[in-house]
Amino acid sequence: GDSVTQMEGPVTLSEEAFLTINCTYTATGYPSLFWYVQYPGEGLQLLLKATKADDKGSNKGFEATYRKETTSFHLEKGSVQVSDSAVYFCARTFGGATNKLIFGTGTLLAVQP
Amino acid sequence: EAGVVQSPRYKIIEKKQPVAFWCNPISGHNTLYWYRQNLGQGPELLIRYENEEAVDDSQLPKDRFSAERLKGVDSTLKIQPAELGDSAVYLCASTSTPTDTQYFGPGTRLTVL
Repeated sequence: GDSVTQMEGPVTLSEEAFLTINCTYTATGYPSLFWYVQYPGEGLQLLLKATKADDKGSNKGFEATYRKETTSFHLEKGSVQVSDSAVYFCARTFGGATNKLIFGTGTLLAVQP
Repeated sequence: EAGVVQSPRYKIIEKKQPVAFWCNPISGHNTLYWYRQNLGQGPELLIRYENEEAVDDSQLPKDRFSAERLKGVDSTLKIQPAELGDSAVYLCASTSTPTDTQYFGPGTRLTVL
């Protein structure tokens, strides 16, 4: 069935380092893809999204490109900050519906000063 | 504009007791979701409402879980009786249209002893 697989954490980086969090999805249908971020004690917030192949979502210095050929939607940021420390979730729509989401297991990012 | 409101934020109960969670979506949002997020996992959809109608409850364990959204605005999710395995964070989300971005509340963390 439909699923999302993302790299396990924690990912520990120093401030200003380059970030990549890998995400792959099952190639069924034409899903929209999302990255959500969850800061400690808070709900999930949409970070960025892409709705079709080759689209690039971007927000707050984060980027991810919808790659149909590799069924991937990797999250990248050129220079992380301590304030980026959070859990990041990759998600896709499923079941042919545009408003049903299936999430990956989340990747904890810890940025050290 | 106020975000999605959930209460309580934390709840500790003994097994076999009932518990209820409340969610008030963003004003004007007709679609409301309840998710369960187990520790170290991504959220999993329990039920989705379009106005007052539950349009997708296929993943709701109906033997002990129930939900209502009587006037198509706020919603209540109930567990009766609670089991140890129900310990999780229960998230509510809403959207203005079925295809729009989902906005999440902060969640209710349930601990069943």
